[in-house]
Amino acid sequence: GAVVSQHPSRVICKSGTSVKIECRSLDFQATTMFWYRQFPKQSLMLMATSNEGSKATYEQGVEKDKFLINHASLTLSTLTVTSAHPEDSSFYICSASHLAGGVEQFFGPGTRLTVL
Amino acid sequence: DAKTTQPTSMDCAEGRAANLPCNHSTISGNEYVYWYRQIHSQGPQYIIHGLKNNETNEMASLIITEDRKSSTLILPHATLRDTAVYYCIVAPGAGNMLTFGGGTRLMVKP
Repeated sequence: GAVVSQHPSRVICKSGTSVKIECRSLDFQATTMFWYRQFPKQSLMLMATSNEGSKATYEQGVEKDKFLINHASLTLSTLTVTSAHPEDSSFYICSASHLAGGVEQFFGPGTRLTVL
Repeated sequence: DAKTTQPTSMDCAEGRAANLPCNHSTISGNEYVYWYRQIHSQGPQYIIHGLKNNETNEMASLIITEDRKSSTLILPHATLRDTAVYYCIVAPGAGNMLTFGGGTRLMVKP
């Protein structure tokens, strides 16, 4: 199956700092990537849809100025959490689907963000 | 909101078949049924998907009712490593977002 990677897998930062999370499709090209977050004991919640070469589409309640998304190529999307606060501590997961493949999406392993 | 309803949890004996049901009575004609699973602290893993016909792959089988209002994921010989939360999702094809519900927490016991 297709492989999606995320970096870093785990990050701890101080309140007020910014954190960048990378999502890469390793063996396929993805026009669209999705960013989710998951709080403890909850399901995944879609944050935004990232399209290569255009602005991301954010879900209601997700601040676009706080969660900056860049999708500069068909294999890389980045999520930057700006001025992170403890309430941003969560598990961030990306997914991608083949540009010219099947209908299934493939998920990254997730990034655990802890803001102190 | 998720368009699917799943039992919150299920148990299964190791080596037996695990049958996980899902109701999706408002599914649209262009929507697929997807199954994913999430093992603790990992990203979701794709299992299988189908539109109308039953499907089988090396991981599982998917049985979709004729009216498409419900489906069952079958893990033919459950192992301890199949313990996970299983999500049933209905969504259009490639490039469309997936809306996750609560899923079913499957516990495979020795």
